[in-house]
Amino acid sequence: DTGVSQNPRHKITKRGQNVTFRCDPISEHNRLYWYRQTLGQGPEFLTYFQNEAQLEKSRLLSDRFSAERPKGSFSTLEIQRTEQGDSAMYLCASSLAGEQYFGPGTRLTVT
Amino acid sequence: DQQVKQNSPSLSVQEGRISILNCDYTNSMFDYFLWYKKYPAEGPTFLISISSIKDKNEDGRFTVFLNKSAKHLSLHIVPSQPGDSAVYFCAAREDYGGATNKLIFGTGTLLAVQP
Repeated sequence: DTGVSQNPRHKITKRGQNVTFRCDPISEHNRLYWYRQTLGQGPEFLTYFQNEAQLEKSRLLSDRFSAERPKGSFSTLEIQRTEQGDSAMYLCASSLAGEQYFGPGTRLTVT
Repeated sequence: DQQVKQNSPSLSVQEGRISILNCDYTNSMFDYFLWYKKYPAEGPTFLISISSIKDKNEDGRFTVFLNKSAKHLSLHIVPSQPGDSAVYFCAAREDYGGATNKLIFGTGTLLAVQP
């Protein structure tokens, strides 16, 4: 399977805990994006990497959120001190230039 | 401020008929538009796209039309099949000198194709 993969698919955590998600993009894609989707809404942009460089961060990405893409391959998104409002589907996408191809997402539930 | 709007939350059509999903946008800097289909508990799947320099793009049963003057695009599915039942998202890409290319999504339209 050469699509975008994300792990874990589901994460339940207690408020205040830290969580980390992983995204493995399509291998030849140099661009990687993180989005967040809540119920009844479309995906909202969080951050963008071109190779290993993080080139843009949305104002939605508070200082509790950090993302990395070491060596320009897989990426991680960490949320520190989770809050109930962080409950959402976290989507990763990759592209070469045009269409972005999405992974299956990580569903985060903060209790 | 919703830059991409899908004003119909849901649409129901009969199998074999045409499905028309609509999308409006406000930002004239958008240069590229995409449609994605999403099933529950899965990520969005790319369907079809159109550049702002074109007014139509066709791929099999799917055709996207773009009316730049009206800032409106639509997705036509002909003939509709029960397997097309899903949420459809319209998305637009901002063109600022080839920088981020982040997508701005609408809120989606739930399409139900009745057998």
